[in-house]
Amino acid sequence: DTEVTQTPKHLVMGMTNKKSLKCEQHMGHRAMYWYKQKAKKPPELMFVYSYEKLSINESVPSRFSPECPNSSLLNLHLHALQPEDSALYLCASSQGAGTVQETQYFGPGTRLLVL
Amino acid sequence: SQKIEQNSEALNIQEGKTATLTCNYTNYSPAYLQWYRQDPGRGPVFLLLIRENEKEKRKERLKVTFDTTLKQSLFHITASQPADSATYLCALGPEYGNKLVFGAGTILRVKS
Repeated sequence: DTEVTQTPKHLVMGMTNKKSLKCEQHMGHRAMYWYKQKAKKPPELMFVYSYEKLSINESVPSRFSPECPNSSLLNLHLHALQPEDSALYLCASSQGAGTVQETQYFGPGTRLLVL
Repeated sequence: SQKIEQNSEALNIQEGKTATLTCNYTNYSPAYLQWYRQDPGRGPVFLLLIRENEKEKRKERLKVTFDTTLKQSLFHITASQPADSATYLCALGPEYGNKLVFGAGTILRVKS
């Protein structure tokens, strides 16, 4: 199974809502990532979890809160978002064995619209 | 600051021809470079990785070259097909940890 799954596919939320994005992989990967991608722009790294510990936070606003409950699951909790946070949110995973040359496997993304 | 440049304009080619996409970078010495394909509204899909000490890598109809002196990678798709139409992203790594830095991508359109 070389698939990364993400739910939901689409999400519309108001600025006062709380919602969560979910990501799952069963490839035994130990590194998981959240990216944000705006239209016609490259994916921008938000967070990296390595062996279930947060290893990189790219100075993301606290209204985004990541969580890694176990090695297969990654959540992104959303609260008090702004309209400019509307984007495609991508989850990815890699072996995370500490080697360089880490190929990343991406999920299909969640299209988020903040009203 | 680090910068990655890919052809900003879409590349339109005829089916059967070879498509060549360019990735240039500055202020960076990557250990490796990766190419990904992204279809609209979907996540990127890994295609090829080439290391700093490799000149060329091939996989089926795909070929990647890596010139660390010119700070450039070329990505070739031979015998292109309409199904090859997509955005192609180059990514350099690692910046630190597992971090990849992506270029903005080049849109390829293959017409039959």
